Amino acid sequence: AQSVTQLDSHVSVSEGTPVLLRCNYSSSYSPSLFWYVQHPNKGLQLLLKYTSAATLVKGINGFEAEFKKSETSFHLTKPSAHMSDAAEYFCVVRAYGGGGGNKLTFGTGTQLKVEL
Amino acid sequence: DSGVTQTPKHLITATGQRVTLRCSPRSGDLSVYWYQQSLDQGLQFLIQYYNGEERAKGNILERFSAQQFPDLHSELNLSSLELGDSALYFCASSQDGANEQFFGPGTRLTVL
Repeated sequence: AQSVTQLDSHVSVSEGTPVLLRCNYSSSYSPSLFWYVQHPNKGLQLLLKYTSAATLVKGINGFEAEFKKSETSFHLTKPSAHMSDAAEYFCVVRAYGGGGGNKLTFGTGTQLKVEL
Repeated sequence: DSGVTQTPKHLITATGQRVTLRCSPRSGDLSVYWYQQSLDQGLQFLIQYYNGEERAKGNILERFSAQQFPDLHSELNLSSLELGDSALYFCASSQDGANEQFFGPGTRLTVL
């Protein structure tokens, strides 16, 4: 079975400083991995996805993530945080089931706080 | 705006009641997914439909059921509601069973 572990439930950074949100995955085969963001009282928005092409994946709003098989990690980074980045971030792994089933398994989320 | 719509936005009801949540997928998407987000369980996959047929099942209770109609919209039916069913219910859609999923804004269900 596939799973993801988000190592920090809360991360606080100052505006203009780098962001690092950590995620480790567990998968019996090459996984498809995603990062989603959820702003307060909003739905989930896809930030970026890894599907076995380039290991460094660029997403929206300046975010990127690097797939490291040797470390089973898929950490999300951004060089410079902006106040609008304050939100909850979810690391997600996709599992393919028999018969064409396709479900996402979410991590527990990391709440990012950006301070002035 | 993802293009996935969900109604209603909020729903308040009492224990023992039955409710129906509705989802319209993005234009052209054949797959619809339902997820539940609660404080104690986090975000959990409930069920997937593809072009009207059930494709995958997650942690969906027997009191819950879903269907996808010929026009591809989907409904999630929750019956014999309990306090613990209070949660945010998300619908997502994708072009087929393999592509990325786009999420709707959710329906917040409160069971009193």
